[in-house]
Amino acid sequence: AQSVSQHNHHVILSEAASLELGCNYSYGGTVNLFWYVQYPGQHLQLLLKYFSGDPLVKGIKGFEAEFIKSKFSFNLRKPSVQWSDTAEYFCAVKTGGGFKTIFGAGTRLFVKA
Amino acid sequence: DAGVTQSPTHLIKTRGQQVTLRCSPKSGHDTVSWYQQALGQGPQFIFQYYEEEERQRGNFPDRFSGHQFPNYSSELNVNALLLGDSALYLCASSLVSANTGELFFGEGSRLTVL
Repeated sequence: AQSVSQHNHHVILSEAASLELGCNYSYGGTVNLFWYVQYPGQHLQLLLKYFSGDPLVKGIKGFEAEFIKSKFSFNLRKPSVQWSDTAEYFCAVKTGGGFKTIFGAGTRLFVKA
Repeated sequence: DAGVTQSPTHLIKTRGQQVTLRCSPKSGHDTVSWYQQALGQGPQFIFQYYEEEERQRGNFPDRFSGHQFPNYSSELNVNALLLGDSALYLCASSLVSANTGELFFGEGSRLTVL
């Protein structure tokens, strides 16, 4: 069965620190990859997505993610975090032939001002 | 812009009861997916509806059923509630023809089973 693993459940950073959140998935075929974010008191929303082409994708608010097919990974990065990045981040995978999107357990990021 | 709306936002039931949750998709969307999010977990896929048919189902028992109406809105029904059904139930809508896979989520319905 397909699955998504997020390596860190809780991350605490100071403002201006760099961020990298790990995500690995288990599926050997074509995948569409996503990072969703849930800010406090808000609903889940898309941060960025990968479908094909350039494996380095850029999203909103300065976030980017790199798809490494050989490692089944789709790690999220941001060079310099802000207090407003405090949120929960979910990695998600949709297989090419299916309809469902599978989510990881999420990573709670807290950025200290 | 009418986003995804869900009702009710909170509800409390007792074991053995039945519950119905409702979802109106984002304007223009034709597909509705339902997810269960337990505390500290990521959303778990329950099922997806398109053209009023269940298109795919996750690993949930038959106590979980759904429906999609001609106006694309959807209901999630859970029968014979168990304590373990306590969770946030999320509705997500999408547009098949957009082929982006992007899901638009509602705020969720928080169900507590006592």
